[in-house]
Amino acid sequence: DAKTTQPPSMDCAEGRAANLPCNHSTISGNEYVYWYRQIHSQGPQYIIHGLKNNETNEMASLIITEDRKSSTLILPHATLRDTAVYYCIVSTYGGSQGNLIFGKGTKLSVKP
Amino acid sequence: GAVVSQHPSRVICKSGTSVKIECRSLDFQATTMFWYRQFPKQSLMLMATSNEGSKATYEQGVEKDKFLINHASLTLSTLTVTSAHPEDSSFYICSARDSRGSDEQFFGPGTRLTVL
Repeated sequence: DAKTTQPPSMDCAEGRAANLPCNHSTISGNEYVYWYRQIHSQGPQYIIHGLKNNETNEMASLIITEDRKSSTLILPHATLRDTAVYYCIVSTYGGSQGNLIFGKGTKLSVKP
Repeated sequence: GAVVSQHPSRVICKSGTSVKIECRSLDFQATTMFWYRQFPKQSLMLMATSNEGSKATYEQGVEKDKFLINHASLTLSTLTVTSAHPEDSSFYICSARDSRGSDEQFFGPGTRLTVL
């Protein structure tokens, strides 16, 4: 079973920030938080990952709470092409001890 | 980022036939590849872990004799669905781990299998 909990769906207006929450209250000390997204009928796309510090790249920002029990993925200026299912996954680095376990994710709909 | 390709992207076959799906890492070597299956409106489910030069490790409930996996080189893994039936119709996705670099997993674009 997935170790994360995400809302099943969210809407966001185009151009606004999309904030996607994720709960991972049972995360262990050596597990990272990964975010992937899947656009319809495509393979998952890596977005970002982090251990305990906040991270930012060209796609998004990842905010991890101090107790590491939850995190938020931020898409600063959502576009229609960001409409996808977003998966929050906790795993050892690179899934080196197994694999990435996908939960149900959050279906983000960006609306004009 | 690293590129993983899958071939074919879409295949339709008759019930009882076998179908082979290829997964290639194009610009990196992958000692480990993963095969997932995704039914409509559901999440990805891991089927098996493929290790170069050794037998694949299958997840519980996945028939190893039905889903044959071969990982003969550092850039290629194949999944063969043997004696396919309509219930095997699904979206099959592979991922590959870059063993030289950050150890991240990169996903292929998926293969849509339809069994008539």
